[in-house]
Amino acid sequence: AQSVAQPEDQVNVAEGNPLTVKCTYSVSGNPYLFWYVQYPNRGLQFLLKYITGDNLVKGSYGFEAEFNKSQTSFHLKKPSALVSDSALYFCAVRDGPNDYKLSFGAGTTVTVRA
Amino acid sequence: DAGVTQSPTHLIKTRGQHVTLRCSPISGHKSVSWYQQVLGQGPQFIFQYYEKEERGRGNFPDRFSARQFPNYSSELNVNALLLGDSALYLCASSLGRTGDYTAFFGQGTRLTVV
Repeated sequence: AQSVAQPEDQVNVAEGNPLTVKCTYSVSGNPYLFWYVQYPNRGLQFLLKYITGDNLVKGSYGFEAEFNKSQTSFHLKKPSALVSDSALYFCAVRDGPNDYKLSFGAGTTVTVRA
Repeated sequence: DAGVTQSPTHLIKTRGQHVTLRCSPISGHKSVSWYQQVLGQGPQFIFQYYEKEERGRGNFPDRFSARQFPNYSSELNVNALLLGDSALYLCASSLGRTGDYTAFFGQGTRLTVV
């Protein structure tokens, strides 16, 4: 069965500094990887995905993520964090093209201080 | 364009009661999935429907059921509510075609069981 681990419950950074949110995954086939963001009392908002192709994926709001097959990781990054990036971030995986469900990590709370 | 819409946004029910949650997918999307998000955890998969057929079911008791209508909207039903059913229920829609795997989420329905 597939699974996702987000090893950090919380990440705190100063505005303007780089932001990294870590994610590792486990699947039996090819991973289809996603990042979502959740603001308080809201649903999940899609940020970016990796299906195939370039290991560096660019998404919404200046976020990007790097797929590393050997380390089974898909870390989310932003070169310069904003206070408005403060939210709950989820990594999710599908186990190949025939997997119909997303398996989510427990989430990482990002706080960007001014 | 309207995103995924869910109703109601909040509701309070008593133990043992029944609840119906509703979801309208993005126009053109034929697949709807339901997830349960308990406070402090990542979303857990409940059901997926595609073209009105159940494609998958997560590890939830038979008290949980769902259906998809000809217009691709969906209902999630929960019978004999327990305190532990209190959660944010998220609906996600996707095109459902092979090769397109991005799920877009609604704002959720916050269910409180007292």
